[in-house]
Amino acid sequence: NAGVTQTPKFRILKIGQSMTLQCTQDMNHNYMYWYRQDPGMGLKLIYYSVGAGITDKGEVPNGYNVSRSTTEDFPLRLELAAPSQTSVYFCASRDSGGSGTETQYFGPGTRLLVL
Amino acid sequence: AQSVTQLGSHVSVSEGALVLLRCNYSSSVPPYLFWYVQYPNQGLQLLLKYTTGATLVKGINGFEAEFKKSETSFHLTKPSAHMSDAAEYFCAVSAQGGSEKLVFGKGTKLTVNP
Repeated sequence: NAGVTQTPKFRILKIGQSMTLQCTQDMNHNYMYWYRQDPGMGLKLIYYSVGAGITDKGEVPNGYNVSRSTTEDFPLRLELAAPSQTSVYFCASRDSGGSGTETQYFGPGTRLLVL
Repeated sequence: AQSVTQLGSHVSVSEGALVLLRCNYSSSVPPYLFWYVQYPNQGLQLLLKYTTGATLVKGINGFEAEFKKSETSFHLTKPSAHMSDAAEYFCAVSAQGGSEKLVFGKGTKLTVNP
């Protein structure tokens, strides 16, 4: 049981390049999330999904896109990378439940540097 | 709408001293409250959570937190700090009755001095 895995661990992008951050979970969780973490700013929700084929915007979606074709995978796409997207990106998942008490399980993060 | 305020972005304690990390929340509905810990270069992991019932919640590694509705607080404590407690701690809130999302505070970085 690997939990939530993210690839790559670290990436340097040039301004204007595109890339996809991969996230996979093996816990059969319906809910998945992408956050970005900037120093002193906590975690900001980028996008989330409550099941395959269903995605919704979070607090900071601009410059990003997501898809959810399977329960396991929730890739995050950066189009036209900008320096403001330099950050650490975390993927998380949780069981559906519906009560709001469910624990979110986080991946190890992807550190992205845009130059 | 919900929000979380963590007082003190950095807290420094000596090994063996009391750890107190402060969290205040704002919520228009009864909240669920969480503390997550992030060790260097790792993802977040759950430390403890308050859902309903007993307001004093015990978590892993000797941490506990008390939900005080009248003070809208959920402070995290540990009687005696260990070097291994050095990490960043995040308080988070979600709404009772069902919510897909957590709202996180900005985090408090705990340093433990020998």
